[in-house]
Amino acid sequence: DVKVTQSSRYLVKRTGEKVFLECVQDMDHENMFWYRQDPGLGLRLIYFSYDVKMKEKGDIPEGYSVSREKKERFSLILESASTNQTSMYLCASLTGSNQPQHFGDGTRLSIL
Amino acid sequence: ILNVEQSPQSLHVQEGDSTNFTCSFPSSNFYALHWYRWETAKSPEALFVMTLNGDEKKKGRISATLNTKEGYSYLYIKGSQPEDSATYLCALWGTASKLTFGTGTRLQVTL
Repeated sequence: DVKVTQSSRYLVKRTGEKVFLECVQDMDHENMFWYRQDPGLGLRLIYFSYDVKMKEKGDIPEGYSVSREKKERFSLILESASTNQTSMYLCASLTGSNQPQHFGDGTRLSIL
Repeated sequence: ILNVEQSPQSLHVQEGDSTNFTCSFPSSNFYALHWYRWETAKSPEALFVMTLNGDEKKKGRISATLNTKEGYSYLYIKGSQPEDSATYLCALWGTASKLTFGTGTRLQVTL
């Protein structure tokens, strides 16, 4: 079974802090994604990557950056956390359009 | 930005009822249509991936159909059970090499 592991289930940080959310997948998938989920807004794509060191902006990239130095790891970085970044963050990976996407358990991030 | 619409937004049915939801999408630039089930406190779980017009897929009491020419997919649940309570997401894989998700249909099944 594909395993997508997010480093933290719950995280509390302060405004202005630099925050790192880590995601690791164990199935050699090329594509990795970071989403945030807010009530009534569904899943919104922040950034995605289709290869090592490659990154593409999603629908809501402002205030975020990403890093993909190794194929299995995709990190989401909040450069200077703000309260409007309080949300559930989900990482996912897949190998191609006709294969299912596998999600991590999510990180509930609170910015105080 | 691709627009993937799901209806209804929420649904409340009794145990044993059959139900269905709709996912609508622009028919151009279509590569694949995904359905996911998202239970509270869990991560989304893939149900189906469909790529061909006329595709029909089935998994137990849940099935899905796809019409790429008119841009819609239906998800059916036969004989709903309380454990079917979840948010059902559809997502479109288009030309931008990513999934665009709808906002989901939240299903609640009561005894």
